[in-house]
Amino acid sequence: HSALTQPASVSGSPGQSITISCTGASSAIGSYTLVSWYQQHPGKAPKLIIYDVNKRPSGVSDRFSGSKSGNTASLTISGLQADDEADYYCCSSAPSSTLDVLFGGGSKVTVL
Amino acid sequence: QVKLVDSGGGLVKPGGSLRLSCAASGFNFDDYHMSWIRQAPGKGLEWISHLSGSSYYTNYADSVKGRFTVSRDNAKKSLYLQMNSLRAEDTAVYYCVRGKVAFDIWGPGTLVTVSS
Repeated sequence: HSALTQPASVSGSPGQSITISCTGASSAIGSYTLVSWYQQHPGKAPKLIIYDVNKRPSGVSDRFSGSKSGNTASLTISGLQADDEADYYCCSSAPSSTLDVLFGGGSKVTVL
Repeated sequence: QVKLVDSGGGLVKPGGSLRLSCAASGFNFDDYHMSWIRQAPGKGLEWISHLSGSSYYTNYADSVKGRFTVSRDNAKKSLYLQMNSLRAEDTAVYYCVRGKVAFDIWGPGTLVTVSS
């Protein structure tokens, strides 16, 4: 059981937009701006796609965007493409807990 | 090219030990926190430890505290994870990663299997 809750699966058709939520206790996401998101294709290492809630690393498509409201962070993928089919994980710092870093349980994105 | 290459995984019996290594290249290794993150087969990501650039600050997840030790050799641009008293539930792919909360560079991962 993860302290950051994500939907197990999200799906959409090519060209559509989807949003993945990540809800945590207020001591985690609610209080900190260090929320990041990772994309993982099968058999590959995860890749950072969003950091500090809404910043994109160099080279990451602007179809990926992040936001936060209260104790829920969100990742939006616009213009869904076949290659976006992957697992997505949110991550947040949580120094007030026994863990320095928390990961969400992951969301499987399926492109219909 | 910024790169991490983790190694040292393998099959080990319960109660055994293993030492993972991670070789960094293409960046000033001393300037960065480094972390270990693992992923059990078919499961999600679990942060297990991080270490500051100077080795002054470190922390561990409760699941490995007292059994795993992270260290680094900045002269060799290398990160290590000494794993003792291994359990079946430690079976996972272990990733060496750059960063403390935002993990921007990942190694390919090394598989550790704990089984008799």
